[in-house]
Amino acid sequence: SYVLTQPPSVSVAPGKTARITCGGNNIGSKSVHWYQQKPGQAPVLVIYYDSDRPSGIPERFSGSNSGNTATLTISRVEAGDEADYYCQVWDSSSDHQVFGGGTKLTVL
Amino acid sequence: EVQLVESGGGLVKPGGSLRLSCAASGFTFSSYSMNWVRQAPGKGLEWVSSISSSSSYIYYADSVKGRFTISRDNAKNSLYLQMNSLRAEDTAVYYCARASGAAAGDNWFDPWGQGTLVTVSS
Repeated sequence: SYVLTQPPSVSVAPGKTARITCGGNNIGSKSVHWYQQKPGQAPVLVIYYDSDRPSGIPERFSGSNSGNTATLTISRVEAGDEADYYCQVWDSSSDHQVFGGGTKLTVL
Repeated sequence: EVQLVESGGGLVKPGGSLRLSCAASGFTFSSYSMNWVRQAPGKGLEWVSSISSSSSYIYYADSVKGRFTISRDNAKNSLYLQMNSLRAEDTAVYYCARASGAAAGDNWFDPWGQGTLVTVSS
């Protein structure tokens, strides 16, 4: 089955740029979606189709996808961005949705 | 406003059954595929099952196949998850989530409900 690998944690100072990676075999050939989940809350979509932003998501959130790595980039990080972030793809070979293990973003 | 509200969670003994419901409002329910995603305490997200808009296509995670059954009633704007032969490892918050399209395949999930907690314990 298809596996998505994320770093367990990423730390960044306020105002700096955070990059959260999502690794998978030839993930560049798939559409990657990203979710933000704050403690005690349901996940919220922040990026779809690799790099598109839903309405209401700040422009500080962006995404890219190439080769074996997709990346969620958060510019000018704020304290309110502290959360868990998950990547997700559709694996057509198994007809399964797949989530990465999640990355905890800590704002120092 | 698009809204998804789950219900039916609770405490159940190993081997028992439970039926979750998800009431949808604020959009044309019959035009979207729907999904169940769960999250064990302190763990990450795990996809459970997807159903296409007309129920023609249904998919399950390997961990629940043969034990869980997803269904929907478009006339009632409702999604269901029948869970049988429950195990301790099924303990989780269960979220329903709308997919981005009618087909249960290459979709993103938006929005999500607030979740309902299922605890499997003797």
